[in-house]
This record gives sequence, structure tokens and C-alpha cells, in this order.
Amino acid sequence: QVQLQESGPELVKPSETLSLTCSVSGYSINSGYYWVWIRQPPGKGLEWIASIYHTRSTYFNPSLKSRLTVSVDTSKNQFSLKLTSVTAADTAVYYCAREVDYCSGDNCYPGGNFDPWGQGTLVTVSS
Amino acid sequence: EIVMTQSPATLSVSPGERATLSCRATESVSSNLAWYQQKPGQAPRLLIYGASIRATGVPARFSGSGSGTEFTLSISSLQSEDSAVYYCQQYKNWPPWTFGQGTKVEIK
Repeated sequence: QVQLQESGPELVKPSETLSLTCSVSGYSINSGYYWVWIRQPPGKGLEWIASIYHTRSTYFNPSLKSRLTVSVDTSKNQFSLKLTSVTAADTAVYYCAREVDYCSGDNCYPGGNFDPWGQGTLVTVSS
Repeated sequence: EIVMTQSPATLSVSPGERATLSCRATESVSSNLAWYQQKPGQAPRLLIYGASIRATGVPARFSGSGSGTEFTLSISSLQSEDSAVYYCQQYKNWPPWTFGQGTKVEIK
């Protein structure tokens, strides 16, 4: 059974960097699938942030791309998110999830279905 | 960016009745449409992908239909545990993948 668990600071000051890690158990990141970050501001809808493959192929939401770094550590079976220059608008529950991939030849691409999800972690941006 | 619009915002249905939720895309997404269920305090759960394919373990009372720009999620006989917010999501054109704003299903 695949399980994902987010971890990181719950409170970040404005203009600083938000850093989160997702630990995956029950499945090896090296075995396939994309791995994704999604967020949800309090009382609002869902926003896809980024997807990363174990080969480090990465896709970003254009609205966040300039502030984003996403990385994968296959030795720890984890992937991570860094979001710089945060503001109150970045306050949200951050989820990690597994994303189905589809492959054509030697290239694999995000497939857009997210299952399963981590439980989510609320990150508040405030001084 | 493809914008997904869901209606209604809130749906109140009696137990055992049928609930019908709608999702519209600003351009064709073919059948690249998923539905998620989110209960209070929980992460979303994948219900439907490919517009009509139930994910593993999803009860048969949930069904999806549609293609192109118009989609429907139906819950044939509403149970109390179906009270949740339901989101549609397109995965035809990216980045970014985009979600609808959600429909809240309440039990009368």
C-alpha cells in the first residue's frame, strides 16, 4: 500500500522560503510514476504546483515557476518542494501525491491523475 | 490555460436520491477528465478518471459521463458518507493541470 507523508515547517515568515518534503512508503520512486505537489488555500479550491519524475524531469505551474524548486532523492524515497519569496497568498494546505505517467519510447510524461495523496500539511505565512 | 467551471456550487439531496454534478471546460479536453471527492479535514480522493472510469475501490453508485467540454458526475443513490466537496480536473492541456472550484454535496 502506497503512502505519502508531507513534512516541514508549519509557519514561514513573509519573503522567506517554504520548504516541504514528501516521504513515500510502499513504493519505490525509481519504479515509475510522477510525483506531484498540489495546494489548497483555506476554504478554497485545488492548485497543481509541480510534477517531478525520478529522472528529475520536472513540470511547473507557470504562475509559480519563477519561485519554485522541486527535487527528488531516490536514496531516501523522498521528493521536495521549495517556494521562495512567500507571501500570505501562499498560505495553504500543501499535499503531495503520486501521478500516473504515460511513456512514449524512452520518454515518460505526467498523466494528470493523482492517486494516492498524502494527508496534507498546513503552511501559514505570517510574521 | 483551460478553466473548469462546476455547477451548482452547493447541492442538497435526500438520502437515496440521485445527485448530478456538472463540470464544463473552456475548450475540449476530450475524455481527459477526473473527479475527486474531498471530505472535511481529509485529502482529496480520486473517484473517476478518463471521464467515466471508476478508480479502484470506488462504489458503483458513482458514475461519470461526458466528453469534450461537458461532463457529469452522478451519484445514483446518495449515502450519508457521500457528503463532501467534489472537484473535476482536466489533464488534456498542461501545464498547468486545472481544477474546478468544487461542488459541495449536502445531505438533506
